[in-house]
Amino acid sequence: AQKVTQAQTEISVVEKEDVTLDCVYETRDTTYYLFWYKQPPSGELVFLIRRNSFDEQNEISGRYSWNFQKSTSSFNFTITASQVVDSAVYFCALGSDQTGANNLFFGTGTRLTVIP
Amino acid sequence: DGGITQSPKYLFRKEGQNVTLSCEQNLNHDAMYWYRQDPGQGLRLIYYSQIVNDFQKGDIAEGYSVSREKKESFPLTVTSAQKNPTAFYLCASKDRARTTEAFFGQGTRLTVV
Repeated sequence: AQKVTQAQTEISVVEKEDVTLDCVYETRDTTYYLFWYKQPPSGELVFLIRRNSFDEQNEISGRYSWNFQKSTSSFNFTITASQVVDSAVYFCALGSDQTGANNLFFGTGTRLTVIP
Repeated sequence: DGGITQSPKYLFRKEGQNVTLSCEQNLNHDAMYWYRQDPGQGLRLIYYSQIVNDFQKGDIAEGYSVSREKKESFPLTVTSAQKNPTAFYLCASKDRARTTEAFFGQGTRLTVV
């Protein structure tokens, strides 16, 4: 079974603070793909990053960084020096071809509020 | 510009009515998806289609129907059999290769009045 858990429902931080959004996944597949999406108030999901299960290198993109650890089945997302524009709902997702459906399984999302 | 267009942005439905949500993409993607988003529940898959003239039920297909007559279009009909249709609906498309990400439309907010 595929499952993504985002235990943090809501997080509030003051601008310029660092914040980490947690994502824990479950899958029996040996090959899988992990994603992070941002959903601003406009509603559209914006793709942030994709990670393959065989690539555990961490990644940094500007103020964003991602920590992928297969040993703990986690794919955490850190925003450094947060800004008000980072306020959004963030979704972690798992991609798998287990059923041939080529679908994405989403967590329940974490609502981040950055207070000016 | 390439992308996915959902319409309308807001939709109101009277009880007992069927309504159709539009989703069009010009990304030349084979696969298209419909998700439903409710507060605190994340995104749940309603239907998906990997190729034209073929589609499959997702986790919550009851009360919904779809068609895929053209590669670019994947409309979703919310039927009167759907008992709680008020939600935010998102359409997505992606290349069939599983390593690629999905692209999303801006969503349709459906409210039953």
